[in-house]
Amino acid sequence: DAGVIQSPRHEVTEMGQEVTLRCKPISGHDYLFWYRQTMMRGLELLIYFNNNVPIDDSGMPEDRFSAKMPNASFSTLKIQPSEPRDSAVYFCASRDTVNEQFFGPGTRLTVL
Amino acid sequence: AQSVSQHNHHVILSEAASLELGCNYSYGGTVNLFWYVQYPGQHLQLLLKYFSGDPLVKGIKGFEAEFIKSKFSFNLRKPSVQWSDTAEYFCAVIDTSGTYKYIFGTGTRLKVLA
Repeated sequence: DAGVIQSPRHEVTEMGQEVTLRCKPISGHDYLFWYRQTMMRGLELLIYFNNNVPIDDSGMPEDRFSAKMPNASFSTLKIQPSEPRDSAVYFCASRDTVNEQFFGPGTRLTVL
Repeated sequence: AQSVSQHNHHVILSEAASLELGCNYSYGGTVNLFWYVQYPGQHLQLLLKYFSGDPLVKGIKGFEAEFIKSKFSFNLRKPSVQWSDTAEYFCAVIDTSGTYKYIFGTGTRLKVLA
């Protein structure tokens, strides 16, 4: 398995633009997580899915953020409109019920 | 709410020094415990995990951790660190009877001086 795949790896955009981050989890994993990491706030859980259903989105900072998981092999995190304070590294991770959580390589987002 | 505490936020050591990073969790039920490492510019990778059995767990790269249930602790150790161990270390716990959500600590940044 190729592991968790994220795209793009780097994204530079201007304030106000829509940003879509993509994630392909490891096949067979039924949990998918979106995290954000910054120097100031560290690693934050934004939202997670179980069997494609959002379970806890309490970490989503505001309505500008949305996440979907239309099927077991794909998830998106969308920011609309983006703001400079959204600049961070966004990680996707997947796992089966209680086992090791595998992280993707991350998307480094810069909002100018 | 469950929580994980890592009391050492920044640690600086010389090569060959011994390392111990503290991790305490708040949940009293059945937990699965993990240590992850994040090398500069990379994603989190598993160092070791504890599910049950021997409370002394050995991981990759010479790391080990000891689960002490009475102290709600899962400290990470390495007898002799190397410059390449410079990284950020995260402790995490899963509540296996609840949400199955990982709870991560705030991380400890380790810098090893050559």
